[in-house]
Amino acid sequence: DAGITQSPRHKVTETGTPVTLRCHQTENHRYMYWYRQDPGHGLRLIHYSYGVKDTDKGEVSDGYSVSRSKTEDFLLTLESATSSQTSVYFCAISEWMHGTGEAFFGQGTRLTVV
Amino acid sequence: GQQLNQSPQSMFIQEGEDVSMNCTSSSIFNTWLWYKQDPGEGPVLLIALYKAGELTSNGRLTAQFGITRKDSFLNISASIPSDVGIYFCAGHYNQGGKLIFGQGTELSVKP
Repeated sequence: DAGITQSPRHKVTETGTPVTLRCHQTENHRYMYWYRQDPGHGLRLIHYSYGVKDTDKGEVSDGYSVSRSKTEDFLLTLESATSSQTSVYFCAISEWMHGTGEAFFGQGTRLTVV
Repeated sequence: GQQLNQSPQSMFIQEGEDVSMNCTSSSIFNTWLWYKQDPGEGPVLLIALYKAGELTSNGRLTAQFGITRKDSFLNISASIPSDVGIYFCAGHYNQGGKLIFGQGTELSVKP
């Protein structure tokens, strides 16, 4: 299994509080992604990173920020959590070389905003 | 933003039947990937496609990268109960590394 650890695995938080989810990898992969999964919507890209301090927005980035200060860690922050951000969050890593590659996923973080 | 349209959204089939699902996009991709997700787990790669027109098999699974680079399909032959799960297509852009997913196809197999 690819070395990806998401923490925490479960979290309940109150509306309006900031929340940070962590994705840690031991594979030294360049690319890291944050997705949210909701019934009927599949996996939607929030933000992704293509290197240390290099990040870009995905399809559903409003209300989220990310940081990548070192290769192994990619942090997702909900600046002020809302009930619509209740979801399962997945981190993925990949290394695309010569036009080939794949993404490996973490186990997910279930976030509930009450 | 870019979207992948995956269909069907769900399928209820009898064990032994063949299954087909597909993804279409308004954008051109460099890579198509197909994943399967079991309950409570992260998605796991089934098949990767890197060239337009490529047809690749993995056991009972067969996938193709459309010639226009805007679509892909996945076939499962002779389905078995352990095929139950959610199947996702994903498209990757070489430039920038963006990877986006379809809405998923939830497969149920009746023994």
